[in-house]
Amino acid sequence: AQSVTQLGSHVSVSEGALVLLRCNYSSSVPPYLFWYVQYPNQGLQLLLKYTTGATLVKGINGFEAEFKKSETSFHLTKPSAHMSDAAEYFCAVILTDSWGKLQFGAGTQVVVTP
Amino acid sequence: NAGVTQTPKFRILKIGQSMTLQCAQDMNHNYMYWYRQDPGMGLKLIYYSVGAGITDKGEVPNGYNVSRSTTEDFPLRLELAAPSQTSVYFCASSSSYEQYFGPGTRLTVT
Repeated sequence: AQSVTQLGSHVSVSEGALVLLRCNYSSSVPPYLFWYVQYPNQGLQLLLKYTTGATLVKGINGFEAEFKKSETSFHLTKPSAHMSDAAEYFCAVILTDSWGKLQFGAGTQVVVTP
Repeated sequence: NAGVTQTPKFRILKIGQSMTLQCAQDMNHNYMYWYRQDPGMGLKLIYYSVGAGITDKGEVPNGYNVSRSTTEDFPLRLELAAPSQTSVYFCASSSSYEQYFGPGTRLTVT
């Protein structure tokens, strides 16, 4: 069974500091990988995705993630946190033969302090 | 383009009542999905559809029903509401692997 693990349900970062959110998946077949962001009382917005090709993926708002098959990881980073980055972040996977069904991690709440 | 729309935004139900959560998309997407979001649990798939007239269960379908009579609409029906169905419900649609989400419906069952 496919599962997605996000390490840390809450992360606090200082404004200007590195943001690192960890995501690991369990699958023998590399899935398609996604990071979504959810701002308070809103729906989910796609930050970035990995399907095939380059393993370092750049997304919106200065975020990027690297797919590492050997580590079954897809960690999300941003070099310098901004106050507007405060939100909940979800890692998700799709298996290639699953009608596009997303399986989500539990989410990581990011707090940015001045 | 409105994208994915959901109504209502908020609703309070009494135990045993029923209701339908509406979802519509104007992107001509074949695939549509219903998720529920509970604190600390991420989103769980309730039902999905790969086209008009075709639906299937997701991870947590008990207590819910769906129908897909048109490409645009994918309503979610709650019969005999229970407190365990208190949650935020999201509808999504896609044509490939990128899903577009609606703003959600916050449902409380008391």
